[in-house]
Amino acid sequence: DAKTTQPNSMESNEEEPVHLPCNHSTISGTDYIHWYRQLPSQGPEYVIHGLTSNVNNRMASLAIAEDRKSSTLILHRATLRDAAVYYCILRDPWNNDMRFGAGTRLTVKP
Amino acid sequence: DAGITQSPRHKVTETGTPVTLRCHQTENHRYMYWYRQDPGHGLRLIHYSYGVKDTDKGEVSDGYSVSRSKTEDFLLTLESATSSQTSVYFCAISAGRDQPQHFGDGTRLSIL
Repeated sequence: DAKTTQPNSMESNEEEPVHLPCNHSTISGTDYIHWYRQLPSQGPEYVIHGLTSNVNNRMASLAIAEDRKSSTLILHRATLRDAAVYYCILRDPWNNDMRFGAGTRLTVKP
Repeated sequence: DAGITQSPRHKVTETGTPVTLRCHQTENHRYMYWYRQDPGHGLRLIHYSYGVKDTDKGEVSDGYSVSRSKTEDFLLTLESATSSQTSVYFCAISAGRDQPQHFGDGTRLSIL
């Protein structure tokens, strides 16, 4: 299975943008890039996903490199509520096994 | 928020006893999943269902069975619980194979 590499932790100041990187050099042509986050004591929460083009939704933006070997989740204005573990996951739509790695623990400072 | 209810939310039981966890959804989604989350391992898929009475194994299915007799309910059973099955269990649902998954709040299971 194609794997992802994320930094273990990152810090941000409240109301500043946050760029969370993810490397996936062995991504296949059919893999979608998904991002989830998990707040303390809660289940994971879907954030965003994309295939080739950059994507925006109300929560975040996803920037995908032209060669698709890396991507960046962008939180435009971090809030204290955004403190969570963020997971970058590659999903083959024909495979139901979504593999979560260790993720990036984001700390947001007031 | 997606309508997913997991029950019970917490359970403590003894080794060797049977345990059943329930996931109930009100979204009429076709796909349902059971994951476990342990320190150092992240979330791992146990079993999933792609329709009523249609289930398949995930990465860590040994020691677990599932059943889905209705669209809205997906049951996870530990036939004879072991201490290694102490974990937090999450149910997830999705409308399609390639659609985002929405997770419940989890069940914390302790087996003594």
